[in-house]
Amino acid sequence: EVQLAESGGGLVQPGGSLRLSCEASGFTFSAYTMNWVRQAPGKGLEWLSFISSRGSTIDYADSVKGRFTISRDNAKNALYLQMNSLRDEDTAVYYCARTYCVNYSCYPWSAFDIWGQGTLVTVSS
Amino acid sequence: QSVLTQPPSVSGAPGQRVTISCIGSNSNTGAGYDVHWYQHLPGTAPKLLIYANNYRPSGVPDRFSGSKSGTSASLAISGLQAEDEADYYCQSYDSSLSRSVFGGGTKVTVL
Repeated sequence: EVQLAESGGGLVQPGGSLRLSCEASGFTFSAYTMNWVRQAPGKGLEWLSFISSRGSTIDYADSVKGRFTISRDNAKNALYLQMNSLRDEDTAVYYCARTYCVNYSCYPWSAFDIWGQGTLVTVSS
Repeated sequence: QSVLTQPPSVSGAPGQRVTISCIGSNSNTGAGYDVHWYQHLPGTAPKLLIYANNYRPSGVPDRFSGSKSGTSASLAISGLQAEDEADYYCQSYDSSLSRSVFGGGTKVTVL
């Protein structure tokens, strides 16, 4: 079964750091572009970052650029999000999501076809 | 404020048809970028319902359909069922922002 499973969320103080992980199973992880998306309490979905299949292309939303770092380990079928200088407004459920690729061609404007269940990050003193 | 505009809520009785609009601009939907739709129950993984404006992934009932014209797109749910009660989000790509963008979400209530 194709699955994504996030972990690493928790309570952290403002200014602190946290590293989220996303473990993939049931598909050839190394062939897909991957993304992080979050949902703050009472808010909608917000795209945060993507990383290409080999990690050569990366991009971030302005809200997290310079503070968050996306990475991946294809040997471990794992995606990561290193979050530094956390703020109250970073409190959210964080999801990893796979880009829908056709014949291993993945585009920034493609849909996200597989999502994890999410992990909650709470930034509070 | 979201780049893509959706109504906050829509409602309908069981068996009825409801539609959700998603209005963008010339830098996203109007520029020809596809619109995708997701169903989301809080605490669960969002589910892809419609991709590339009007295509359904396998396993998605044909009660769900999508369309797009110009800067606007819409999701229709026919034969509304209690299990359809959820939040629905549209998504596209914005060339000015150079990133994927979501609508603010629409809560569907089955009366």
